[in-house]
Amino acid sequence: DQQVKQNSPSLSVQEGRISILNCDYTNSMFDYFLWYKKYPAEGPTFLISISSIKDKNEDGRFTVFLNKSAKHLSLHIVPSQPGDSAVYFCAAGNSGYALNFGKGTSLLVTP
Amino acid sequence: NAGVMQNPRHLVRRRGQEARLRCSPMKGHSHVYWYRQLPEEGLKFMVYLQKENIIDESGMPKERFSAEFPKEGPSILRIQQVVRGDSAAYFCASSSTGGGSGNTIYFGEGSWLTVV
Repeated sequence: DQQVKQNSPSLSVQEGRISILNCDYTNSMFDYFLWYKKYPAEGPTFLISISSIKDKNEDGRFTVFLNKSAKHLSLHIVPSQPGDSAVYFCAAGNSGYALNFGKGTSLLVTP
Repeated sequence: NAGVMQNPRHLVRRRGQEARLRCSPMKGHSHVYWYRQLPEEGLKFMVYLQKENIIDESGMPKERFSAEFPKEGPSILRIQQVVRGDSAAYFCASSSTGGGSGNTIYFGEGSWLTVV
């Protein structure tokens, strides 16, 4: 039962443009959402998070938007850089439980 | 290195052997999580542990797999009588508090198990 879904397995964006990665969830009890970035043969690294009491969180080139009524969140990267090419995982959780992850979206930023 | 430490990074086992994967959490973290990534798939939750306690093992296969996090020493994920389908990357993560609500978990570099 996939509670966190990333419906786009891959995305290709030109350098300098905006990358938008999407994520949907089904469990209304989730109150904390995170994005992780993963390079091949490495562990996921934490990128940015957002609490359910907010609808936006920004950190440099990365912004996460949360739409609770639609159970949808997105990660915006602007401007995109070739070094951003990686697999991005969306995760969601609530107190006392482990995080649930999506299947990931592979982002390719082309020069 | 104050990060999550996993070893071995790579492990090759023959079918029927046992695999033991170790994880030392970040300093100050008492919550440990194990995730598995099968080829072409995302991160699947396996088990969530605190010191000497299993909090949630709902993602753990019922047979052959076990996990512990003793009072002293690293967390261990143990797979008995491995089969080819166990070949995967196993990631350990840790956190200072449990679950969501502002709790970020930090991952190790992973242990890649290959069953031949």
